[in-house]
Amino acid sequence: IAGITQAPTSQILAAGRRMTLRCTQDMRHNAMYWYRQDLGLGLRLIHYSNTAGTTGKGEVPDGYSVSRANTDDFPLTLASAVPSQTSVYFCASSDESTGELFFGEGSRLTVL
Amino acid sequence: QKEVEQDPGPLSVPEGAIVSLNCTYSNSAFQYFMWYRQYSRKGPELLMYTYSSGNKEDGRFTAQVDKSSKYISLFIRDSQPSDSATYLCAVLNKFYFGSGTKLNVKP
Repeated sequence: IAGITQAPTSQILAAGRRMTLRCTQDMRHNAMYWYRQDLGLGLRLIHYSNTAGTTGKGEVPDGYSVSRANTDDFPLTLASAVPSQTSVYFCASSDESTGELFFGEGSRLTVL
Repeated sequence: QKEVEQDPGPLSVPEGAIVSLNCTYSNSAFQYFMWYRQYSRKGPELLMYTYSSGNKEDGRFTAQVDKSSKYISLFIRDSQPSDSATYLCAVLNKFYFGSGTKLNVKP
């Protein structure tokens, strides 16, 4: 069982470049989430999607966009990366019956 | 104000100690509370899940919710080096997380 698959696992990016972090789940969960994790700040919600075709803003949405064309995929795009977006990004989905969040292994992004 | 506040630690204890990890939350409407454990360079995994007030026990772990004071706790008995990780509390409202407490259990 793959669960949540994120790609790339690690990336170094020049400031100003566009970057898309990919996230795919095989659990048929309706809800999906993108978090960033920074030292001392914990996990902060960037964007979420309650079901395919809908998205919403989390705590720190500026500079990021998402789309949810189908149930399985939830890509996160940085239109013009800035150094403050250096972070570890986690994608997650939630099981509606239990409320449990399932996380991917993370994508480590460095913006220079 | 963040939805969930958590002391980031780090917390270092000897093997066998009782560990207490704590969070406070802001909205009295929150009903579902969770503790996640995250090992280094891994994604978080669900450890405990509680609804409303009271205690929930699972082996060496006990989760406690005090809704009157908006306080949630995780107790670890007979702590082991394998418990060394970052522990994050969360509330089920778009899944807001605390900042995480890094725990180190020394052999």
